[in-house]
Amino acid sequence: LAKTTQPISMDSYEGQEVNITCSHNNIATNDYITWYQQFPSQGPRFIIQGYKTKVTNEVASLFIPADRKSSTLSLPRVSLSDTAVYYCLAMTPGGYQKVTFGTGTKLQVIP
Amino acid sequence: GAGVSQSPRYKVTKRGQDVALRCDPISGHVSLYWYRQALGQGPEFLTYFNYEAQQDKSGLPNDRFSAERPEGSISTLTIQRTEQRDSAMYRCASSGEGAPAYEQYFGPGTRLTVT
Repeated sequence: LAKTTQPISMDSYEGQEVNITCSHNNIATNDYITWYQQFPSQGPRFIIQGYKTKVTNEVASLFIPADRKSSTLSLPRVSLSDTAVYYCLAMTPGGYQKVTFGTGTKLQVIP
Repeated sequence: GAGVSQSPRYKVTKRGQDVALRCDPISGHVSLYWYRQALGQGPEFLTYFNYEAQQDKSGLPNDRFSAERPEGSISTLTIQRTEQRDSAMYRCASSGEGAPAYEQYFGPGTRLTVT
């Protein structure tokens, strides 16, 4: 299983863009970088995944360089409701997933 | 349709008692996972089912923990002779055939407190 490393916590003011970087030096060829978001008192929810280059959806953007040893989750113009823990995971697109969530990055958005 | 549901949402039990935690996955989801989450930590994998087959139970801490999914839908996680260290949030997740396996849908969890 590829190990991922990300900052334990980050603070940001409302309206700012937040970038959370994740390191995954030993990512496997068939692994995708996958991010989950967990609000307090809720289970994690999938927000975005990518293999290489850039992926964007209504929630976030994900940037993965060609060497795939790291990735950056970008949240545009955060609001207080984006306060959550964000988990970076290496997951395969199909089949069984024994996932290690780690501690994630706790993002605190400040008014 | 409805999301993953778990019951009970809260369970307080005395040390030494057995508890059964229930998970009702999203209809049609063939994969079901159980996780345990301590405060301030990410979910920790316990076990995985593909339909009714328990394909990985390597995350179960010891033989007091067991899980079943007899008809490939609802699953029960049972903890026998509970101990205080078993206190945690227990979460269930499911994912569907034909959908990306990395997209797991989590339930609200059962908060277990062993006194």
